[in-house]
Amino acid sequence: EADIYQTPRYLVIGTGKKITLECSQTMGHDKMYWYQQDPGMELHLIHYSYGVNSTEKGDLSSESTVSRIRTEHFPLTLESARPSHTSQYLCASGVTGGVEAFFGQGTRLTVV
Amino acid sequence: TQLLEQSPQFLSIQEGENLTVYCNSSSVFSSLQWYRQEPGEGPVLLVTVVTGGEVKKLKRLTFQFGDARKDSSLHITAAQPGDTGLYLCAGARNNDMRFGAGTRLTVKP
Repeated sequence: EADIYQTPRYLVIGTGKKITLECSQTMGHDKMYWYQQDPGMELHLIHYSYGVNSTEKGDLSSESTVSRIRTEHFPLTLESARPSHTSQYLCASGVTGGVEAFFGQGTRLTVV
Repeated sequence: TQLLEQSPQFLSIQEGENLTVYCNSSSVFSSLQWYRQEPGEGPVLLVTVVTGGEVKKLKRLTFQFGDARKDSSLHITAAQPGDTGLYLCAGARNNDMRFGAGTRLTVKP
């Protein structure tokens, strides 16, 4: 059983609000990822990190930002939420040199 | 165009039937993973295949990696309602991992 947690599980928020989606893992994994998942579409990588103070943008253009101050924590922030940000956000982690990803339960975000 | 094409997109079968779902690409991958995702949950890793032609079995599930390491299949024997879910394949290239859009399987009792 993977120990990776996302909060909140569900969030409904108004346009223009600033939000932070939390992701924490207790496995000591160096690699962490944020994916966006929409029905019928492939998971899109929006941010990743290979360790503390390392963050990179993925292949999907995103208006969100991330930080990696601690190994176990990889929060994602939207400065000004828009309806186009409505989606399922999945956080994952993995070991350096490994290929498998361990996912959290996801945050379903709805921006109204 | 998706890097990993999964087919079929949807599959609805009766309990006890056999099925095969596919994951195809024009790219070569160093490894390929299969995940299952249930509603409201994140994907859970089922298996990793690494060697071209490799076959792995997990109870009623059989996974195969193509000889050229560009494609994979998942075969389920005697499907059960508990097999219902979204089956995702993911390919690893260097430090990059790409996912397909998945096959949504429904097994009716």
